[in-house]
Amino acid sequence: EIVLTQSPDTLSLSPGEGATLSCRASQSVSANYLAWFQQKPGQAPRLLIYDASSRATGFPDRFSGSGSGTDFTLTISRLEPEDFAVYYCQQYAISPLTFGGGTKVEIK
Amino acid sequence: QVQLQESGPGLVKPSETLSLTCTVSGASFSGYYWSWFRQPPGKGLEWIGYIYDSGSTKYNPSLKSRVTISMDTSKNQFSLKLTSVTAADTAVYYCTSGAGWLTDFWGQGTLVTVSS
Repeated sequence: EIVLTQSPDTLSLSPGEGATLSCRASQSVSANYLAWFQQKPGQAPRLLIYDASSRATGFPDRFSGSGSGTDFTLTISRLEPEDFAVYYCQQYAISPLTFGGGTKVEIK
Repeated sequence: QVQLQESGPGLVKPSETLSLTCTVSGASFSGYYWSWFRQPPGKGLEWIGYIYDSGSTKYNPSLKSRVTISMDTSKNQFSLKLTSVTAADTAVYYCTSGAGWLTDFWGQGTLVTVSS
C-alpha cells in the first residue's frame, strides 16, 4: 500500500497570498497517477488535478500541480476567498487507492 | 455530465448490514469504474472498492471480508453492502465514477450512522 503524507496539516493565509501544499509518497507513484481534490464543508470532494499536473475542468489556472516519483506539490498562486478548503492528494496507480490526510487552507 | 445519487438507511444497528444504492444518470455503465468511498465525520477519505462494467470487482483489503459491490444495469444502479458494522463504520458514503481508477464524478454523499 502506498502511504501518502501531506504537509502542512493547516495553512493560515490571507486572500491574495500564495499557497504551497506538499504530498509525499512512501514509494514511487507510477505514471504520476497522483490527483488532488478540493473539499469544502458539507460537500463532496471535487477533482482538481490529475496525472500530477493536469488541471480538471472548471478550475482556474491559479491552481497548478507538479512533481513526480514520490514528491508532489499543489500550488495556488493567489488565494481567492473560494479557495479556502481542505485539499487531499490521492494515488490511483496501485490498489488500494489511498489518500493523504489532507491540508486545510484557512483564512488568516 | 454524469450524475450520481446515493440512497439508503441513515441509521444501522451494530452487527447488521449497511446497504446503499447509487443511481446513475447521464452515462452508461459500459467502460467505466463505479466506486464507493467513505469519510468518517471530521476525518479523511477511504476507498472501499469498485465494480467495472464487466462486473469485475476490487476491494480495499482492509474491508474486503465485509464488502460486496454489485450492479443492476437495468436500473442504472450499483450498490454497496457492508456486513457486521460497528461504530467505526459511521461515515459519509460517496459513490463515484471514472473512466479509469481516477474518479471524475462524485455523488453528494450520504451519512450513515451505526448506533443502537
